[in-house]
Amino acid sequence: DAGVIQSPRHEVTEMGQEVTLRCKPISGHDYLFWYRQTMMRGLELLIYFNNNVPIDDSGMPEDRFSAKMPNASFSTLKIQPSEPRDSAVYFCASTTGAGSLESDTQYFGPGTRLTVL
Amino acid sequence: DAKTTQPTSMDCAEGRAANLPCNHSTISGNEYVYWYRQIHSQGPQYIIHGLKNNETNEMASLIITEDRKSSTLILPHATLRDTAVYYCIAPRRGTSYGKLTFGQGTILTVHP
Repeated sequence: DAGVIQSPRHEVTEMGQEVTLRCKPISGHDYLFWYRQTMMRGLELLIYFNNNVPIDDSGMPEDRFSAKMPNASFSTLKIQPSEPRDSAVYFCASTTGAGSLESDTQYFGPGTRLTVL
Repeated sequence: DAKTTQPTSMDCAEGRAANLPCNHSTISGNEYVYWYRQIHSQGPQYIIHGLKNNETNEMASLIITEDRKSSTLILPHATLRDTAVYYCIAPRRGTSYGKLTFGQGTILTVHP
């Protein structure tokens, strides 16, 4: 398996523009997570899905952020409009939620480094 | 998640064992301890996890105290490639299923 795939790897945009980050989870995984990492706040969970349904979006910073998972093999995180403070590395992760207490082993993608000028 | 406490940084000589401690005194009986690491410019990587027995895999060993209030991650023969931030996490079960809360972790520097 190729692991979790994210695109683009780097994105530079100007303030006010729409940004779309993409993620393909590992095949067979039914949980998908979006994280953001900055120097100031560290690695923080934004939202996660189970079977394509958003379960917890309490980490989404504000209405400018939205995430979708139209099918089991694809998810997007959109920022509209983008602001300089959104500059960060965004990670996607997936796991197989077998319902057991051990199902917290998450597999992370390489991340998308976003710079908003 | 149960609160975990780790040293901010540690050094280790290449080829020696690296022992990374973690305190998790509020951990509940059914909560596992997970270790992840993040090498510079990469996504976090799962290392190992355990409940109450010691665990070993191809990457590391995990020693959990009998009272489960602390654990130690052991990299038996550290290499320069093991330089990374190491996170100890005890995810809380229940409604927050699957959520991992990454703290500041321990910056491990392996030097020649």
